[in-house]
Amino acid sequence: SQQGEEDPQALSIQEGENATMNCSYKTSINNLQWYRQNSGRGLVHLILIRSNEREKHSGRLRVTLDTSKKSSSLLITASRAADTASYFCATALTGGGNKLTFGTGTQLKVEL
Amino acid sequence: ETGVTQTPRHLVMGMTNKKSLKCEQHLGHNAMYWYKQSAKKPLELMFVYSLEERVENNSVPSRFSPECPNSSHLFLHLHTLQPEDSALYLCASSQDWGQGEGYTFGSGTRLTVV
Repeated sequence: SQQGEEDPQALSIQEGENATMNCSYKTSINNLQWYRQNSGRGLVHLILIRSNEREKHSGRLRVTLDTSKKSSSLLITASRAADTASYFCATALTGGGNKLTFGTGTQLKVEL
Repeated sequence: ETGVTQTPRHLVMGMTNKKSLKCEQHLGHNAMYWYKQSAKKPLELMFVYSLEERVENNSVPSRFSPECPNSSHLFLHLHTLQPEDSALYLCASSQDWGQGEGYTFGSGTRLTVV
């Protein structure tokens, strides 16, 4: 398996519900980032959490990082139809420069 | 627009053609990246340039040839590609190579090799 793996692969929820996506990784990291991709488009940077941080918020997004378990979660609260997209975690390894390794993503569908 | 512009958006080319993908950023970033995104696979890092110098080449076949003439422009020259090279090619930039920070991506070039 690769450095970053998201779980679940696909998630379907109703508008207004919360969406939680998880990411696991294998080696020591400098930071972990979450990105969103709308169908066939480029990725958009959402949030970055450093290895010495445990939780970070940005608007309706909440990210946690547990370095002992090598895992992170992304919570989107009060989801909207516009949140429908693929979400990727990416890790920057310790001593790896700014090279990011991406997972395969979670496809989120928010239905009206 | 994110500040990173990729052209063309779509490209169909035969296996014997030569074409180039272009990426341009005016964000003042010093590092630029090429990634390949194929269906059902994680993004694959291809090349990294920092201050116009290539710092990473991820075992990419020689039919892909990058060029970074200045810190604002990045090209990916393509020749004698294979059908399995069909994918979304994404360019990204970041402020620097050595610092852990986020990327700004372009919208990508959807490449189809026939």
